[in-house]
Amino acid sequence: AQSVTQPDIHITVSEGASLELRCNYSYGATPYLFWYVQSPGQGLQLLLKYFSGDTLVQGIKGFEAEFKRSQSSFNLRKPSVHWSDAAEYFCAVGPYNFGNEKLTFGTGTRLTIIP
Amino acid sequence: DAGVIQSPRHEVTEMGQEVTLRCKPISGHDYLFWYRQTMMRGLELLIYFNNNVPIDDSGMPEDRFSAKMPNASFSTLKIQPSEPRDSAVYFCASSLIANTEAFFGQGTRLTVV
Repeated sequence: AQSVTQPDIHITVSEGASLELRCNYSYGATPYLFWYVQSPGQGLQLLLKYFSGDTLVQGIKGFEAEFKRSQSSFNLRKPSVHWSDAAEYFCAVGPYNFGNEKLTFGTGTRLTIIP
Repeated sequence: DAGVIQSPRHEVTEMGQEVTLRCKPISGHDYLFWYRQTMMRGLELLIYFNNNVPIDDSGMPEDRFSAKMPNASFSTLKIQPSEPRDSAVYFCASSLIANTEAFFGQGTRLTVV
């Protein structure tokens, strides 16, 4: 069964500092990987996704993530955070094969930005 | 397209009452998902449909929960009778193809008192 682990429940970063949110997945084959962001009172919005090809993927709002198969990781990064990045971030994994279309989400990482 | 539309945004009901949550997916999307989000359990998939047909309802917590998708543009999630532990934010999401980007609605915050 597929699973996703986000080891950091809460991260605090100063505005302008760099950010890395960790995500580890468990899946027996090549997965689809996603990062979503949820602002307070809102639904989830896709930041970026990895299906195949270049292991460094670019997303919206200046975010990027790198797929590392050897480490089963898909960490999210941003070189300089803005106060508006404060939100909850979810990593998700989906199977490559059809017939099981469920995305599995991690428990999320809450990001706080301090001035 | 206006995105995935859920109604109501907020619902407060008394224990034992029937609650119906509604969702309009993005036009043309073949997959529709119902999720529940709580502090304790995070984001849980309850059920999903493909072309209006329920595919996997293994996440539905109890028989008190039921979901329907009578046509491609409408789905409901019903709880009858509701209980305080059903209090959560319920999200509907749709996607064009399996395992691709899911678009989420803004959610329905349900409070059962």
